[in-house]
Amino acid sequence: GAVVSQHPSWVICKSGTSVKIECRSLDFQATTMFWYRQFPKQSLMLMATSNEGSKATYEQGVEKDKFLINHASLTLSTLTVTSAHPEDSSFYICSARDLMRLAISSTDTQYFGPGTRLTVL
Amino acid sequence: DAKTTQPNSMESNEEEPVHLPCNHSTISGTDYIHWYRQRPSQGPEYVIHGLTSNVNNRMASLAIAEDRKSSTLILHRATLRDAAVYYCILRDASNQGGKLIFGQGTELSVKP
Repeated sequence: GAVVSQHPSWVICKSGTSVKIECRSLDFQATTMFWYRQFPKQSLMLMATSNEGSKATYEQGVEKDKFLINHASLTLSTLTVTSAHPEDSSFYICSARDLMRLAISSTDTQYFGPGTRLTVL
Repeated sequence: DAKTTQPNSMESNEEEPVHLPCNHSTISGTDYIHWYRQRPSQGPEYVIHGLTSNVNNRMASLAIAEDRKSSTLILHRATLRDAAVYYCILRDASNQGGKLIFGQGTELSVKP
């Protein structure tokens, strides 16, 4: 159980285009999802917290108009990189929180997707 | 959330135990100690977590010092699939938002 998928797994786009990345919780409902980005040989950097039915909360320094997050259902959050540029090339990873499991077992773990590698030419 | 310190890298031989240390001298009484790992080109994976007592699960054991200022993740028999970056993360129990803040982690390499 507790599987999170991402689509696409990789994408190559031209500079100036927008790219949408999907994050789905496959076997549980995720009221909260998180988006991270990771540059080569670096750690994960939290970009934003996505809450179902409300606006995302962005970390300091992350442009909300550049990285649009929509969490329209309990199993799907999307990250859209608008007007992508080569410096946006990165590994984007989402994670989801299983609040039902937290309520039952007090185990507050996050389940991560496999990541999406974005390359902007 | 308090900060953790881990060695940048460690090496192990296959089928030998591995002890991955983590220092967290500023840990507060309500901080849980979480461990995640990330294999190359994959998303992170939960390993184990604890508060005060040592913990065991099918993946690993977590040994927590009595003063809680350090902890050790123990892989009992390393396999090649255990090669990954291991992250030790503190999360306050009052962290209702559930955020995880990743440090640099320890890159574990396993030699056959």
